[in-house]
Amino acid sequence: QVQLQESGPGLVKPSQTLSLTCSVSGDSIGRGSFSWSWIRRPVGKGLEWIGRFYDGGATNYSPSLKSRVTISIDTSKNQLSLDLRSVTAADTAVYYCARGGVAGAGALRYWGHGLLVTVSP
Amino acid sequence: DIVMTQSPLSLPVTPGEPASISCRSSQSLLYSNGYNYLDWYLQKPGQPPQLLIFLGSNRASGVPDRFSGSGSGTDFTLKISRVEAEDVGIYYCMHHLQTTTWTFGQGTRVEIK
Repeated sequence: QVQLQESGPGLVKPSQTLSLTCSVSGDSIGRGSFSWSWIRRPVGKGLEWIGRFYDGGATNYSPSLKSRVTISIDTSKNQLSLDLRSVTAADTAVYYCARGGVAGAGALRYWGHGLLVTVSP
Repeated sequence: DIVMTQSPLSLPVTPGEPASISCRSSQSLLYSNGYNYLDWYLQKPGQPPQLLIFLGSNRASGVPDRFSGSGSGTDFTLKISRVEAEDVGIYYCMHHLQTTTWTFGQGTRVEIK
């Protein structure tokens, strides 16, 4: 069974970089067989897709965040990472990582439980 | 960018009655392989979202058969044949065409009357 777990600081200061990791069990992130995504849900708002890592090395980012975000993987640790630079209060949200399903059976088939990150001085 | 528009944004429902949510995309989600790259997700209170329907009309494993998805191209519908109390939450459609960035609809909040 694939399991994902987000981790990182729950509080980040404005203008700093938000860095999160997603630890994966039950699958090898380096296989390159699936898309690995980051999604967030700002407080009181809907889900926002941030970006994905796929095909073993390609990335794709939301146009609204593209200039500030980097998604990468660490195969030695079996982790997915998110870096979001120059954060503001608008980046306060619950952040989720997710993996796609087999043979296109869902873009976001497996989800982590989510991590609340607050941007505040 | 593809814009996803859901309606209604709020849906009060009566247990045992049917419910329906519409999702429209600004571009066709029908790919050359014949698949519509549209999924439906449900986020229940206090939980991460869960996949309900993939590729427009396929129920994910473990999803009750009262949920069904239909549509093609730019118009899609999620139907619940008989709503149960456990179905409350926010429903999202999301497109995932591989050739572009992905986007969610605004979400539809389903609550019991």
